[in-house]
Amino acid sequence: GAVVSQHPSWVICKSGTSVKIECRSLDFQATTMFWYRQFPKQSLMLMATSNEGSKATYEQGVEKDKFLINHASLTLSTLTVTSAHPEDSSFYICSAGQSFMNTEAFFGQGTRLTVV
Amino acid sequence: QKEVEQDPGPLSVPEGAIVSLNCTYSNSAFQYFMWYRQYSRKGPELLMYTYSSGNKEDGRFTAQVDKSSKYISLFIRDSQPSDSATYLCAFLSGTYKYIFGTGTRLKVLA
Repeated sequence: GAVVSQHPSWVICKSGTSVKIECRSLDFQATTMFWYRQFPKQSLMLMATSNEGSKATYEQGVEKDKFLINHASLTLSTLTVTSAHPEDSSFYICSAGQSFMNTEAFFGQGTRLTVV
Repeated sequence: QKEVEQDPGPLSVPEGAIVSLNCTYSNSAFQYFMWYRQYSRKGPELLMYTYSSGNKEDGRFTAQVDKSSKYISLFIRDSQPSDSATYLCAFLSGTYKYIFGTGTRLKVLA
């Protein structure tokens, strides 16, 4: 299957600082990528849809000024958690699909963020 | 009623057993049906996807969809300890957004 690489796999940061997470599609171009958040023993919650060359679409309840998404190229999307707080600690996962309908979405390995 | 219902488990089975994982859904607009496997602290890995009622087989895995009952299943034959993971059902409608189940934790005991 296609490969989606996410970096870093884990990060610890201090409250008030910003953290950037990268998501790359390694062997295909993705006009659309998706960012999810997952709490322990819970399912994935879609945060936003990242569109290459345009603004991201955020799900209801997700603060766009706190979770900045940039989709600069067809193979790279970034999520920046700004002014991080301990409640932002979570597992963040990106995905990208090869097909127009986004079937067979492939996921990155996830980033565990801990804010202290 | 939740859009997707999935038993969280944990489900413990002996090695070699047949495992049945299930999800029910309420949204008739779902067009694609997927199963993902997620190991601890890793991203989900696509196992199978289908878009029609019936069975689809891939090695030890069989995905079953019953659209009339709004019910999907994943069967794992000859289960192995390496199959121990969380299994997520996922659904896709025309909006291209995935709706995930809560996941079922499976433990295959050696």
